[in-house]
Amino acid sequence: HLQLQESGPGLVKPSETLSLTCTVSGGSISTSSYCWGWIRQPPGKGLEWIASMFYSGSTYSYNPSLRSRVTVSEDTSKNQFSLKLSSVTAADTAVYYCAVDKPMAQPDWGQGTLVAVSS
Amino acid sequence: NFMLTQPHSVSESPGKTVTISCTRSSGSIANNYVQWYQQRPGSPPTTLIYEDNQRPSGVPDRFSGSIDSSSNSASLTISGLKTEDEADYYCQSYDSSNSWVFGGGTKLTVL
Repeated sequence: HLQLQESGPGLVKPSETLSLTCTVSGGSISTSSYCWGWIRQPPGKGLEWIASMFYSGSTYSYNPSLRSRVTVSEDTSKNQFSLKLSSVTAADTAVYYCAVDKPMAQPDWGQGTLVAVSS
Repeated sequence: NFMLTQPHSVSESPGKTVTISCTRSSGSIANNYVQWYQQRPGSPPTTLIYEDNQRPSGVPDRFSGSIDSSSNSASLTISGLKTEDEADYYCQSYDSSNSWVFGGGTKLTVL
């Protein structure tokens, strides 16, 4: 199993940019065929995929409903990948998870981090 | 893009068997693997089934996954229900652009 840990501010002001980092241990984010993703869950609601990336080939995919506000990136020197979500509103309040999908193995998820958008 | 539709809630008695469905709206359910996650309140999702029917080590064999092309759906079956199985269950698959698609979730009540 890989271990994933989300980190970042727990409170973001409206119209600002939410920035989160996922630190990976037990494996490398540069492993080909691994798909690294961000998912969120508003309070009391279901899971919503935000974005994902294959480091190998630098392939990025975004939820069309969030695409204009989302950026994902990676830092192989720190074995981390990151999420930026701009122009946040209260509707972006959620628990944010990072996860990894691996061929022929179970996906692994982080514990999640709650981000509230409020002034 | 397609959607995955799950029943909002199901309930069953301890010791019984329950099946949760996950129906794909377009394209074949067999085109892309389906995962199933269990989420208890206040906890992150945990993987119950991956690649349609594979069980991670540590997941009891009371949990099983399958796909049915005739109904274009995936199913999670839980046998010998225990009160601890009460949780939310999510199916998840992929579309052709490597997007992750989640079902809306099913709340399982064991009463």
